[in-house]
Amino acid sequence: KAGVTQTPRYLIKTRGQQVTLSCSPISGHRSVSWYQQTPGQGLQFLFEYFSETQRNKGNFPGRFSGRQFSNSRSEMNVSTLELGDSALYLCASSLAGQENSPLHFGNGTRLTVT
Amino acid sequence: GESVGLHLPTLSVQEGDNSIINCAYSNSASDYFIWYKQESGKGPQFIIDIRSNMDKRQGQRVTVLLNKTVKHLSLQIAATQPGDSAVYFCAENWAGANSKLTFGKGITLSVRP
Repeated sequence: KAGVTQTPRYLIKTRGQQVTLSCSPISGHRSVSWYQQTPGQGLQFLFEYFSETQRNKGNFPGRFSGRQFSNSRSEMNVSTLELGDSALYLCASSLAGQENSPLHFGNGTRLTVT
Repeated sequence: GESVGLHLPTLSVQEGDNSIINCAYSNSASDYFIWYKQESGKGPQFIIDIRSNMDKRQGQRVTVLLNKTVKHLSLQIAATQPGDSAVYFCAENWAGANSKLTFGKGITLSVRP
């Protein structure tokens, strides 16, 4: 079974631009979560989608948004990029309905904002 | 083997020794705990999980111990191998938060040949 796939692997953007990242979950997984990883803050939860609805949201500004499609694929968007948005963005999927189940992560998209 | 808390960034062990990585979690309401391993250039890889109604769970060469009294979680790796070299994270969750994991800062495990 294929793992979580994230595209692109690397992105370089300029301050003020916007960016869209894509995630394809493991087949059969309906929950998709996004995390930001930086050396200073570690892994921080952005949001989670389940059945095309945002189910949980972390403490990030409204410039960070996401969506999920009917096939469970997900995208996240960051508008008006700032230098501090440079990070590894990780997508994770799980079988989760209401019970906890392990998150399985992709290899991430490395975003650099200049 | 050696044990170290997550406030220390690096754990160095000899190949073949046992490794113990410790984690102090923060939320007494957390009821689900996971250990992840992250290699350079890759995303976190699931190692093992444990629910709060258990105090020990074993996998292949790994054991997770949970002490809810002192909010402490540990990962034991038997016969550590060079391929175990990576950054290890503990993560916690509680039932109401679904996939909203809170991660520890991570510790680097370095295996000496």
